[in-house]
Amino acid sequence: AQSVTQPDIHITVSEGASLELRCNYSYGATPYLFWYVQSPGQGLQLLLKYFSGDTLVQGIKGFEAEFKRSQSSFNLRKPSVHWSDAAEYFCAVVLLDRGSTLGRLYFGRGTQLTVWP
Amino acid sequence: DGGITQSPKYLFRKEGQNVTLSCEQNLNHDAMYWYRQDPGQGLRLIYYSQIVNDFQKGDIAEGYSVSREKKESFPLTVTSAQKNPTAFYLCASSSLDRSNQPQHFGDGTRLSIL
Repeated sequence: AQSVTQPDIHITVSEGASLELRCNYSYGATPYLFWYVQSPGQGLQLLLKYFSGDTLVQGIKGFEAEFKRSQSSFNLRKPSVHWSDAAEYFCAVVLLDRGSTLGRLYFGRGTQLTVWP
Repeated sequence: DGGITQSPKYLFRKEGQNVTLSCEQNLNHDAMYWYRQDPGQGLRLIYYSQIVNDFQKGDIAEGYSVSREKKESFPLTVTSAQKNPTAFYLCASSSLDRSNQPQHFGDGTRLSIL
């Protein structure tokens, strides 16, 4: 069963518009949640993370995400998108392997963001 | 600057050939990982290692092999048994201080078939 779902494969927004990328997870306990960004041909860069506490977390590049336990969601938002935000965005959850202290990352399939000038 | 270095950036494989992708980190991280990325499929875990001389299979280990002789290095060999090796390969590392430490990624190696 897939642990992380990103329902939008591709999103297009105009520069200056607001952005929300959706992420849902399926896991009983409160998971550790991450958002990563990937520019073409590059590795992944961590945008933000949620472990516990305040459900609204701030990240780099003006991004924020809100953890909603009732909806099993961890959506990424930005009030005003810049052309340089065009990239692919991945939501991920850490799950502990049985009998291990190592948390494995499970990724969603990604959302490609296009920004119109 | 601390980080993860993957080499080469581009790699080509001939039929029946094994190729090795390099991954080096100077972050003093205990855990290292290899992922395969295909368009529209996100990242899938190939192998991971928590300690030197030990490693575990991930979700798609068939046709791949790894070694962890040094803490800093975790090379991945794509063997001839991997029939569809064309993909983008990403190496990552993380601290094991707590299970929720984020993984840091290299810039990837793109492998293609000649």
